[in-house]
Amino acid sequence: GAGVSQSPSNKVTEKGKDVELRCDPISGHTALYWYRQSLGQGLEFLIYFQGNSAPDKSGLPSDRFSAERTGGSVSTLTIQRTQQEDSAVYLCASSPPLGPYNEQFFGPGTRLTVL
Amino acid sequence: DAKTTQPNSMESNEEEPVHLPCNHSTISGTDYIHWYRQLPSQGPEYVIHGLTSNVNNRMASLAIAEDRKSSTLILHRATLRDAAVYYCILRDPSSGTYKYIFGTGTRLKVLA
Repeated sequence: GAGVSQSPSNKVTEKGKDVELRCDPISGHTALYWYRQSLGQGLEFLIYFQGNSAPDKSGLPSDRFSAERTGGSVSTLTIQRTQQEDSAVYLCASSPPLGPYNEQFFGPGTRLTVL
Repeated sequence: DAKTTQPNSMESNEEEPVHLPCNHSTISGTDYIHWYRQLPSQGPEYVIHGLTSNVNNRMASLAIAEDRKSSTLILHRATLRDAAVYYCILRDPSSGTYKYIFGTGTRLKVLA
């Protein structure tokens, strides 16, 4: 079946502009995660959605970052007034209803470049 | 969150076994050990997980020390396609925390 998809695959923007990144999770997956990966680094957790529960926003680096998940499916990560340090690959993952091992399925990522 | 420690990089010859170590001395009794890998220019993918007993699947084996303070991911015959960054992650499903904390992982280079 279809995996996690993300769009766009690449985004180049100018400093100060707003950007929106989209994630389509696997159908039926109730959990959705956003991570950020800077060049040569590991993954940094940003935000987590589980069903209708309040999202875990503990990883968002500043109030310029926000995310929403409409109808328990598609999610959008918005970065306002982008800065050069926001340049990274933004990865989305989804997982089925929670179990002890909670395998996460990752999308291919969106590479964001802020000039 | 309990942390893991992995070597930054390792090399292996093709067709030979690879043992990727992970130290997790502060692991709690309810932490599961997960391994993911990230191929070049892709998102991470699940490899294997375990709690106490050794585990085998089609991709790899996971050997867990008796005291659970360390574990080893075993690739039985490395191929060029196994070149990736391998992440060892702990997660406690009873903690209410469902995010993974990824470290910098081990970059595995496979030599032809």
